[in-house]
Amino acid sequence: GENVEQHPSTLSVQEGDSAVIKCTYSDSASNYFPWYKQELGKGPQLIIDIRSNVGEKKDQRIAVTLNKTAKHFSLHITETQPEDSAVYFCAASKGRDRGSTLGRLYFGRGTQLTVWP
Amino acid sequence: EAGVTQFPSHSVIEKGQTVTLRCDPISGHDNLYWYRRVMGKEIKFLLHFVKESKQDESGMPNNRFLAERTGGTYSTLKVQPAELEDSGVYFCASSQEQRSLLYDEQYFGPGTRLTVT
Repeated sequence: GENVEQHPSTLSVQEGDSAVIKCTYSDSASNYFPWYKQELGKGPQLIIDIRSNVGEKKDQRIAVTLNKTAKHFSLHITETQPEDSAVYFCAASKGRDRGSTLGRLYFGRGTQLTVWP
Repeated sequence: EAGVTQFPSHSVIEKGQTVTLRCDPISGHDNLYWYRRVMGKEIKFLLHFVKESKQDESGMPNNRFLAERTGGTYSTLKVQPAELEDSGVYFCASSQEQRSLLYDEQYFGPGTRLTVT
């Protein structure tokens, strides 16, 4: 099955700095890579995703990159703000174009991001 | 629109007791997933319902866990008898298949924190 590794487990940055979280996956058939943000007392919430036919995707201060050859994908947050503090999870999955109707997500262990004002 | 809700938010039980967790998905969502996060580890898939049918239950740890989704609406996850290693946060997620897309966004509930002492 799929194995997703996520680093670092904790990350502290100063407000305004950038934060980068990296993930690797093992199953070359995975082609959908969502990122979730979990705030205290809440469930994980999708913040951005990328499909394997795209190398990079950006949404305001958040960007994701994907290297299919190396099976790496990363989350980049620029101009960090205290409200970005949360646990971030990367995940991998197969879409229906890979013959999968299962939809299950394989998650990394999470990164606790703390942004200091 | 109401999101995914879970009950209870927190449960503390003794080893050997029974606990039932409930999940109410977003109205109209056919797909319902259960995941679990043991402290410090990844969020792990448990099982997937499509309406009232179990599509994939390969992540269920053992036969002490029983999930149901009668009528294809809310779902329950029963642990009987509970063991210490069952402690963790149990998340429910739901999604609605969109045939025009290859991936369905999963919306997560806030989770149930289960502590077995």
